[in-house]
Amino acid sequence: GAGVSQSPRYKVAKRGQDVALRCDPISGHVSLFWYQQALGQGPEFLTYFQNEAQLDKSGLPSDRFFAERPEGSVSTLKIQRTQQEDSAVYLCASSLGDRASYNEQFFGPGTRLTVL
Amino acid sequence: SQQGEEDPQALSIQEGENATMNCSYKTSINNLQWYRQNSGRGLVHLILIRSNEREKHSGRLRVTLDTSKKSSSLLITASRAADTASYFCATRDSNYQLIWGAGTKLIIKP
Repeated sequence: GAGVSQSPRYKVAKRGQDVALRCDPISGHVSLFWYQQALGQGPEFLTYFQNEAQLDKSGLPSDRFFAERPEGSVSTLKIQRTQQEDSAVYLCASSLGDRASYNEQFFGPGTRLTVL
Repeated sequence: SQQGEEDPQALSIQEGENATMNCSYKTSINNLQWYRQNSGRGLVHLILIRSNEREKHSGRLRVTLDTSKKSSSLLITASRAADTASYFCATRDSNYQLIWGAGTKLIIKP
């Protein structure tokens, strides 16, 4: 079946521009996670949704970052007034149960954001 | 912040040899997971070991966990070119977040 998809795969933005990154999780998956991965590093947690509820946004680095999942399926990560330090790969993952379940997370291919 | 630290940072071996990667973590855990990341398939879950387990096998993978030393190792036997990737360990914190190490970059030479 279809896995997690993300779009766009690559995004180049000028500093100060707003961007929107999309994630299509596996159908029926309750949990959705966003991660930020800098070059040569492991992913760092940004935010977590259980269905449409954003239960944890403790990893969002600033108020320029905003995420939503209004109908409990597709999610969008928006970054306002992008800065060079926002350049990274943004990964989305989904899992079947809630985050307390020991369910495997399935990752999308990521969106590589480059801010010039 | 990153909880796990993988060791070595990079490893280059000949095809057919075994590869061993280590992970150390800081806080108590419920489970520890290993993931592989390459450009072709992205980040893929390999194996999960629970805190009450000491060793687990999956195909050519063997994972050990030593909670007293807060460390885990991943052994890949009979390596193949397709094993070339970065390998990450991840642990859950008390908020159920996955905390990741910086990864080991494994290169399998033909």
